[in-house]
Amino acid sequence: GAVVSQHPSRVICKSGTSVKIECRSLDFQATTMFWYRQFPKQSLMLMATSNEGSKATYEQGVEKDKFLINHASLTLSTLTVTSAHPEDSSFYICSARRSRGASATNEKLFFGSGTQLSVL
Amino acid sequence: GDSVTQMEGPVTLSEEAFLTINCTYTATGYPSLFWYVQYPGEGLQLLLKATKADDKGSNKGFEATYRKETTSFHLEKGSVQVSDSAVYFCALNYGGSQGNLIFGKGTKLSVKP
Repeated sequence: GAVVSQHPSRVICKSGTSVKIECRSLDFQATTMFWYRQFPKQSLMLMATSNEGSKATYEQGVEKDKFLINHASLTLSTLTVTSAHPEDSSFYICSARRSRGASATNEKLFFGSGTQLSVL
Repeated sequence: GDSVTQMEGPVTLSEEAFLTINCTYTATGYPSLFWYVQYPGEGLQLLLKATKADDKGSNKGFEATYRKETTSFHLEKGSVQVSDSAVYFCALNYGGSQGNLIFGKGTKLSVKP
């Protein structure tokens, strides 16, 4: 089946540094990828929708200058947490949408295994 | 706004026990409903879905029925196995498309031999 690789799975960094998380669709092209965040004991929340070749669309309350998203190819989207602070510590998950034809019912969403970010 | 509420975990069961994980939703329209499963070390995978009221989604022995009258989509399995140990997420969105999902908090299930 289709595979989405997310890297790294776990990262610990110092406050003020930037962290990049990669999301790759290994065997299909994904024009759209999604980035989610989950705080402890909270729901998985959509942060932004990443479209290949165009600017990402951010959900309300998500700072686009802090969470930089680049979707430069059909198989790779990156999320960079800039100047990370302890409150950014969270579980980040990406997903990639594989479409076959124009119908929404033919599309499928494949998720990465997530990245646990801890900011000291 | 739209939201999904699912039962708090963790849930611990013995093998072959009956499983129910409750999920209720709040929505302004008529969403599609999903259950996702995340096995240890893996990404979320779609387990089953239902796109309209009274639809029943089923897969791998799991079932869930879209109940509009109670705004619920409870996940059930008659006999769980150790391999079912995972985190289960209930989710909704509109139009059948799987983008822009609204998730519940997830329920961790542990099945003991």
